[in-house]
Amino acid sequence: DQQVKQNSPSLSVQEGRISILNCDYTNSMFDYFLWYKKYPAEGPTFLISISSIKDKNEDGRFTVFLNKSAKHLSLHIVPSQPGDSAVYFCAASESWGGSEKLVFGKGTKLTVNP
Amino acid sequence: DTEVTQTPKHLVMGMTNKKSLKCEQHMGHRAMYWYKQKAKKPPELMFVYSYEKLSINESVPSRFSPECPNSSLLNLHLHALQPEDSALYLCASSQPATGATEAFFGQGTRLTVV
Repeated sequence: DQQVKQNSPSLSVQEGRISILNCDYTNSMFDYFLWYKKYPAEGPTFLISISSIKDKNEDGRFTVFLNKSAKHLSLHIVPSQPGDSAVYFCAASESWGGSEKLVFGKGTKLTVNP
Repeated sequence: DTEVTQTPKHLVMGMTNKKSLKCEQHMGHRAMYWYKQKAKKPPELMFVYSYEKLSINESVPSRFSPECPNSSLLNLHLHALQPEDSALYLCASSQPATGATEAFFGQGTRLTVV
């Protein structure tokens, strides 16, 4: 059973416009949410995170919104740039024995067209 | 230095071979992870080490054997693998349970079992 869901496998956006990537989760024990960007055959690169006690976190062009009651988060990228084209993974973190267990969604492939 | 270094980048091995994947970080992180990623799938957690002790084993077959010789190094010993074990193996590190839980990933080792 998938605990972290990204229901859109792909998204295409025009350069300069806003990209909105969505993520839903089912486990109420998740205490931290993260977004990673990934290019083929490379490791994921951390983008931005949000604690479960917050509803918004902003870092430059990237903003993550968390709606705990709906168990939903979204990543906004504005303005979108062609270099943002990659697969974006939503991940949720659960504390486990002093470590953090990251559970990933299936990813959304973002294409930003010039 | 925010790097996690994995070697080798590519590995081809036969089903009777024994090989090891290596991971190194110098960020002072005390949690280290092995993930496995198959094509078009999200990374899946295999093992977590916290303070050099194995804290999570996600029911991984015994042909995968992790080892954490010190706080900077993590190995994954491989023996008698199957072709279906071919995947991208990702190492990651983070500070355990501090609230700033972004995990840093290495570039991965692309493993092919023939």
